[in-house]
Order: sequence, then C-alpha cells, then structure tokens
Amino acid sequence: QQQVKQSPQSLIVQKGGISIINCAYENTAFDYFPWYQQFPGKGPALLIAIRPDVSEKKEGRFTISFNKSAKQFSLHIMDSQPGDSATYFCAASPNSGGYQKVTFGIGTKLQVIP
Amino acid sequence: NAGVTQTPKFRVLKTGQSMTLLCAQDMNHEYMYWYRQDPGMGLRLIHYSVGEGTTAKGEVPDGYNVSRLKKQNFLLGLESAAPSQTSVYFCASSLSDSQLAGGRKQFFGPGTRLTVL
Repeated sequence: QQQVKQSPQSLIVQKGGISIINCAYENTAFDYFPWYQQFPGKGPALLIAIRPDVSEKKEGRFTISFNKSAKQFSLHIMDSQPGDSATYFCAASPNSGGYQKVTFGIGTKLQVIP
Repeated sequence: NAGVTQTPKFRVLKTGQSMTLLCAQDMNHEYMYWYRQDPGMGLRLIHYSVGEGTTAKGEVPDGYNVSRLKKQNFLLGLESAAPSQTSVYFCASSLSDSQLAGGRKQFFGPGTRLTVL
C-alpha cells in the first residue's frame, strides 16, 4: 500500500522550462513533507521541506505548493537547468507514532535537455 | 566532517551467505536509519534506531537484523541472503528533536549496492 503517491515516474523538460512533480498522501497524521534530490550514484539529499501550516514555500528556483484539503503537494522547479537532472522523491512523516518513520514516494527521474 | 559513511560500497553474495553493512556518522545524531532502494519502489525503511542500544522495525524488516552498540555506528546484518535482497542500501541519520529547525532532516550516506546471486 503506497501511502505517498508520486507522479510522474519520469519527466523530460527543456532547459528554461518548469518541472512539476506531484504527490498525494492519505494519512492525515503526516505533518512534515520534504523533497529529496538524488544524483546517480549518490545518496538522497534534502532539497526543501514544508509543514502543513503554510501553502507554499520557495527556495531559489524550487517551490513546494501544499493543498491540505486535497492532501496533495507538488514541487515546481522554475527555469530548469541540465544540472537539475536527478531523481526527486517526495516524502511525508507523522507527528505521532514516530516521526522517524518517513514514507517516500517512488521517485521521479527528471531529465532537463539543453 | 565526513557526514554519513557506508562500508562496503559494493558487494556480491551467494544465496545463503551472510554479511554486515556498516554505517558511521560523525554528526552526533541520535537517530539512524537503514533504507533499501529498488526501482519503482522508492526508499523503504528497514530498521531504525532512536539512540544507542535501541532499534525498531520499519516497513520491510524481514530478513534483516540491526545493532546500535555505539551512538555513531549502525550495523545492518543479513543472516542468510536471498536474491530478493538485491538492492541499494542507504543509511541515514538525523537529530532527535523534531521541533528544531531542520530537526527532521535526514542525512544520507552514499549507499551500498548489494547483489545476491
């Protein structure tokens, strides 16, 4: 059972375009929603994260949009660059029952072509 | 700071063999985790530890054991390897206080690619 559903599994975007990755969750106990970026042969690294008390968080070219009522959140990469080519994972963790239990989406492989 | 390191980077086992993966962190983090990464499955939590001497089961614990004898080390053991355990294994660590800024940020190691024949 996939508690965090991520789409698409792969994405090709032209340089300068906007990359959008979507995630949906079911567990209303989730209260922390990070996005991790993983380059080939490396471990994931935290990119940006949001809590449900805000609807949007922006860090440079990366923005998380959060819709609590729809239980959906998305990552937008503005002005996508070839260096952004990586696999992106959305994730969620609860505020009770062990916040250490992070649930990850299946990942989106992003390719930004020149 | 080396961050999170994992040993070995690659390993090939035959079915039924045993091995131990070592994870070490130098950030004085209380919490440590073991994940496996498989195509189309994302990252799945195997076991985790909230402190020295403690361990707990994650989402996919069967076939694995762990130990946290020292705060900086977290070991993952496979007693009798099976082809289904072919995967990339990641260790991670984090602070213990979720209320701190960045308290839930997990720091990942570079991974161990394990093949079981």
